[in-house]
Amino acid sequence: QKEVEQNSGPLSVPEGAIASLNCTYSDRGSQSFFWYRQYSGKSPELIMFIYSNGDKEDGRFTAQLNKASQYVSLLIRDSQPSDSATYLCAVNRDDYKLSFGAGTTVTVRA
Amino acid sequence: DTAVSQTPKYLVTQMGNDKSIKCEQNLGHDTMYWYKQDSKKFLKIMFSYNNKELIINETVPNRFSPKSPDKAHLNLHINSLELGDSAVYFCASSPGLAGGYYNEQFFGPGTRLTVL
Repeated sequence: QKEVEQNSGPLSVPEGAIASLNCTYSDRGSQSFFWYRQYSGKSPELIMFIYSNGDKEDGRFTAQLNKASQYVSLLIRDSQPSDSATYLCAVNRDDYKLSFGAGTTVTVRA
Repeated sequence: DTAVSQTPKYLVTQMGNDKSIKCEQNLGHDTMYWYKQDSKKFLKIMFSYNNKELIINETVPNRFSPKSPDKAHLNLHINSLELGDSAVYFCASSPGLAGGYYNEQFFGPGTRLTVL
């Protein structure tokens, strides 16, 4: 079983719609959860992090964490063409190691 | 100012050669990392140093040798390059461990290595 699994893409959404990205992790002791965005040919950049169960909102982005289900998600509201990228879920236990999922590629159709 | 920089950006070389990639961060972070991203975009940790001490060494061939002369620099030397080494190599840094939380990592621009 992979440490971090993401729903397979690509995910295509129309402009203005909500894009929903899912991630599950295998290590129940994981404490920190991150969503990185990576544009084609560029490096990953952090867009959200969450530590506690529940929702965390930042602009058009909402991260949701459910530790009992070992599940973390990212919602992108009012999707824009500039949101077209690969989104990487990353999970950290209590050490320096960040485990990444394979990523979900999102395409926002104008 | 560039937070995490890498050189070179592109590296094209023949099989069997030895090459190095350099990384520098000016964020004052304690921890630095090397990642490999293959053609399927999967980002895999290779090494991590905290204050010049090796703390993560994943299952990586010993042809790969990291070196951290100080906590702002982490270099990667690769001996006897193979076709399968072709990938994008990212350097990253983070503030370090803070009670297990908030290990945000800042990535460099990447080095695209092509082995012919």
